[in-house]
Order: sequence, then C-alpha cells, then structure tokens
Amino acid sequence: DIQMTQSPSTLPASVGDRVTISCRASQSISSWLAWYQQKPGTAPKLLIYEASALQSGVPSRFSGSRSGTEFTLTISSLQPDDFATYYCQQYNSESPTFGQGTKVEI
Amino acid sequence: EVQLVESGGGLVQPGGSLRLSCAASGFTFSSHVMTWVRQAPGKGLEWVSTISGAGGRTYYAESVKGRFTVSRDNSKNTLYLQMKSLRAEDTALYYCARAPPDATFFTDYWGQGTLVTVSS
Repeated sequence: DIQMTQSPSTLPASVGDRVTISCRASQSISSWLAWYQQKPGTAPKLLIYEASALQSGVPSRFSGSRSGTEFTLTISSLQPDDFATYYCQQYNSESPTFGQGTKVEI
Repeated sequence: EVQLVESGGGLVQPGGSLRLSCAASGFTFSSHVMTWVRQAPGKGLEWVSTISGAGGRTYYAESVKGRFTVSRDNSKNTLYLQMKSLRAEDTALYYCARAPPDATFFTDYWGQGTLVTVSS
C-alpha cells in the first residue's frame, strides 16, 4: 500500500494565520490526492481534489499544491470555522489510503 | 440535496456478523461509485471498500478482504456492507460516501455514519 505521511500531527494556530499542512506519499501518485476537513462529531468534508482543484462551495482561502510526492494544503487566513482535523488521501491506486490527520487547534 | 443515511450498526460479539445499509437520495445513485470508510474511536480515517455504479467491480482493504462484502441495489438506491467474522479491531464509525461523477476512489458526499462495536 502507498503510505501517506502528514505533518505536523498538531498545529497550534490563531485566527488570521497562514497555515500549511504537508502530506508526503511513499511513492508517486501523480496528482491523485484529496484533502478533507473533519470537525468533531461530523463527517469529513471534501476540500481539494486532484491536488489543487477546489471543491465547489469551498472558500478560496483553501488551496492545494504538489511538488513531486510532497503535497501541501494552505489556508491563507485562518478563520474560526477552520479549527478542525485535516486528512490527505491518495487515490492513485485501487487501495486508497489516508494520512493520519493534522489537528489545527488554538 | 444529496443525502446518505447509514443504518444497521450496533453491538456484536467477536466472530459475529452485521449488515450495514446506506440509503441514498438526491442524485442518480446508479451513476456513482460508492465507498465505505471507517473511523475507530479517536482515530483517523480508513478506507474499507468501494463498488462501481453497476456493482460489477468491488475493491477491499486487505484488513477486511474475505470477511466483508460490499453490494448495492440500484432499484432501492441502497448500498450495503455485509460484515462477518468481526473482530474487536473492526469497532468503528462506518461512513458511506459517494464519489463524484467520473471519479472512483475519492468522495464528495458522506453520511453521518453508523457505529459498530465488536465486544463480548
């Protein structure tokens, strides 16, 4: 299976901060990567797919990028609603895998 | 409005069986690949299984292969997950999720989940 390694596991931040979360794939996955946001007690929500395509309805402060097997989710100016856990997911193979999650907290 | 509503979870003894259902509405069910993802208490997300729109192709995580069976009834707009030989490590919140049109292994809508607890 392709391993996805996210960093950091926890990210202390404040409203207005520029936040970056990294995700590294253990092998090439092209741009077949998605990012999800999950708040406590709720289902995950798709933010980004194909590494950098913004899902409809997602605020433009969210963006994704790729450099080889390194992927980054950036929140340009953190809002109160953005405190949550973020997961990357590769879907290059027929056995998709998630990163372990990054909790963005105050 | 897309809606996915899971049911069928509960408490089951190790070695037991359970069938989960996911009722879909608000979209053309047969046109979308569907997926089950689980989340153990306090843990991250784990992909479990995916089924094609017509049901002819199925995919499983190694951790459930041979024990779980995914299926769908497009006439009833319902997705299923038959689970047998359940283990303590199968304890989790099970989500069903829809893939966007023309996609397979990522998902754009999720249900709220149904909790499966495997314990004696």
